[in-house]
Amino acid sequence: QVQLVQSGAEVKKPGASVRVVCTASGYVFTNYAMHWVRQAPGQRLEWMGWINGHNGDTYYSQRFQGRLTIARDASATAAHMDLSGLRSEDTAVYYCARKPSLNDGLDVWGQGTTVTVSS
Amino acid sequence: DIVLTQSPLSLSVTPGEAASISCRSSQSLLHSNGYNYLDWYLQKPGQSPQLLIYLGSNRASGVPDRFSGSGSGAVFTLKISRVQAEDLGIYYCMQALQTPHTFGQGTKLEIK
Repeated sequence: QVQLVQSGAEVKKPGASVRVVCTASGYVFTNYAMHWVRQAPGQRLEWMGWINGHNGDTYYSQRFQGRLTIARDASATAAHMDLSGLRSEDTAVYYCARKPSLNDGLDVWGQGTTVTVSS
Repeated sequence: DIVLTQSPLSLSVTPGEAASISCRSSQSLLHSNGYNYLDWYLQKPGQSPQLLIYLGSNRASGVPDRFSGSGSGAVFTLKISRVQAEDLGIYYCMQALQTPHTFGQGTKLEIK
C-alpha cells in the first residue's frame, strides 16, 4: 500500500543541523511532489516547502531564510529535509506529505518525526 | 502571506448532529482556472493530518459523504452532516494558491 515512513526522533543542540528522511513505497516517487509541514507544540501546522519528484525543483517558505534544504535521494524513492542553524523554536513534529498534482491535496502523510532542540 | 482565520476555534457536538466550520482568507483563493485552492484536513489525536476536502469542495478518496466543503473566493465552509465519535480532532483549512501555503489556526471538535 502507499506509505511514507519517516526517520526517527532527533535531539539536537542549538546551532546544529538535522536531517529527516521520508521513504516512499507503493507508488512511483517521481510522479508526485513531496511537501514538508511542521507542527510546534500547541501550534498550528506550518508549511515549509516542497520538491518536484520528477525534476527535483524545490520551493521554500522564505520564513526559513536559507536554513532549509529539501532534496530527493539518488534512489528516487525517498526525500529528505535538512534544517540548519537550529534554535529552540524549531522544536516540532516534522511531516512529509505527498501531493499528486497542483490540483490535489496532500493525500498521504508520513507518521511524523519529532525534533527537539535543547541545550 | 495569506492569512486564514477559522471559526469557531472549538465546538462540542452530540453524535448525530451537524457541525459547521468556517475558514476565511485574507485574499481570494480563486485561481483564473476556476479552482479554489483551499483544502481541509483532520488531525485526530496522536495522528498525522489526513486530507478531507481539496479544491474547496472535492471529497478525498475514502472520505465519508457526511463531509462536504463549499465556498468560493475568500469564504469557505466545512460541514459534517451527522457527526460520529470518530470525527473528533482538530480541523485545519489550508490554502494552496500561493507559496508559502498557510494553514488556519485549527478548530477542535469534541464529542459530547
